[in-house]
Amino acid sequence: DQQVKQNSPSLSVQEGRISILNCDYTNSMFDYFLWYKKYPAEGPTFLISISSIKDKNEDGRFTVFLNKSAKHLSLHIVPSQPGDSAVYFCAASAGGSQGNLIFGKGTKLSVKP
Amino acid sequence: KAGVTQTPRYLIKTRGQQVTLSCSPISGHRSVSWYQQTPGQGLQFLFEYFSETQRNKGNFPGRFSGRQFSNSRSEMNVSTLELGDSALYLCASRDSTNTGELFFGEGSRLTVL
Repeated sequence: DQQVKQNSPSLSVQEGRISILNCDYTNSMFDYFLWYKKYPAEGPTFLISISSIKDKNEDGRFTVFLNKSAKHLSLHIVPSQPGDSAVYFCAASAGGSQGNLIFGKGTKLSVKP
Repeated sequence: KAGVTQTPRYLIKTRGQQVTLSCSPISGHRSVSWYQQTPGQGLQFLFEYFSETQRNKGNFPGRFSGRQFSNSRSEMNVSTLELGDSALYLCASRDSTNTGELFFGEGSRLTVL
């Protein structure tokens, strides 16, 4: 039973345009959400997080939006750059920032020059 | 600060054997989590250790076990290996601040023949 779902295995975007990666969750107890980026042969690296008390968090080119009623979050990358090409994992926790993280299966983003 | 270090990086085993993987967290981090990454399932949570105690556990069979030492270093063991255990095993550490950020190692790539 997948509690965190990333329904798009892959996404291709032109350089300079917006990339939107989506994530849905089923557990209403989740209260903390994170996005990680993973390059081949490397471990995932933290990108951005959001607490359930917020609906938006921004960090440079990256913005995460949370819609609690829809149990949906999205990551916007503007403008997209070729170096953003990686697998992006959505993760959620039911124990705040210290709970164990449940990850989605990932979305492979390709940004074409 | 040195990052999360995992050893060995690559290993090949045969069915029925057992394997031990090692993880050294970032200095000062007391929490260590283990994840299994496979192409079809993404990142699946195995267990988390904090101060030498297992704090959380995922839905893996008893063949998967772990422990944490007083210096926060952690090991995970898989006994009676099966072909389906072939995966990238990732270790992650975090501190007790409220960011929830996990710092991942580069992983140990296990191939079971």
